[in-house]
Amino acid sequence: GAGVSQSPSNKVTEKGKDVELRCDPISGHTALYWYRQSLGQGLEFLIYFQGNSAPDKSGLPSDRFSAERTGGSVSTLTIQRTQQEDSAVYLCASSFGYSSYNEQFFGPGTRLTVL
Amino acid sequence: AQTVTQSQPEMSVQEAETVTLSCTYDTSESDYYLFWYKQPPSRQMILVIRQEAYKQQNATENRFSVNFQKAAKSFSLKISDSQLGDAAMYFCAYTGTASKLTFGTGTRLQVTL
Repeated sequence: GAGVSQSPSNKVTEKGKDVELRCDPISGHTALYWYRQSLGQGLEFLIYFQGNSAPDKSGLPSDRFSAERTGGSVSTLTIQRTQQEDSAVYLCASSFGYSSYNEQFFGPGTRLTVL
Repeated sequence: AQTVTQSQPEMSVQEAETVTLSCTYDTSESDYYLFWYKQPPSRQMILVIRQEAYKQQNATENRFSVNFQKAAKSFSLKISDSQLGDAAMYFCAYTGTASKLTFGTGTRLQVTL
């Protein structure tokens, strides 16, 4: 079956613009995670969904970041008024269940560059 | 809060040789899972091996094995018979009560002929 897909693969934007990053999880996976990978901060957790609800948003760095998930499937991460420090690779992962033992399957990421 | 430390930014191994990547972690939780992920230049994170903390037996997956020392909070990855395709970034990661992954800073593995 298909793996986790993310779009776009690469995104270049100007400082101050809004961007939307999309994640399509593996069909049937109820848990979905967003992570950010940057040179300065390494790999860090952003937000986690169980179905359409987000019980853990603790990793979102500011109120410019938001995410939603609809139909228990596709998720969108939105960054408003982008800043240069938002430049990073944004990784999405999904897993069959919510528990820690469930393997997380990762997508190829979206590389965001803010000029 | 849980932390994961990888003290080797880069490692190099000759093809067919064995290499060990180090990882230590800190947690107050009793139930947790440890992982090694591989990230090639394609950026796709791939699970290499997983260890449940309650299991004393070290996990093994073909050429990959771990040395899990729970008391020392150490979780190293051994790659035997290294292949050119093993060249990648390797991340040690932790999950506990919360299912989110906490990652180390990574070790870049180079495989030479």
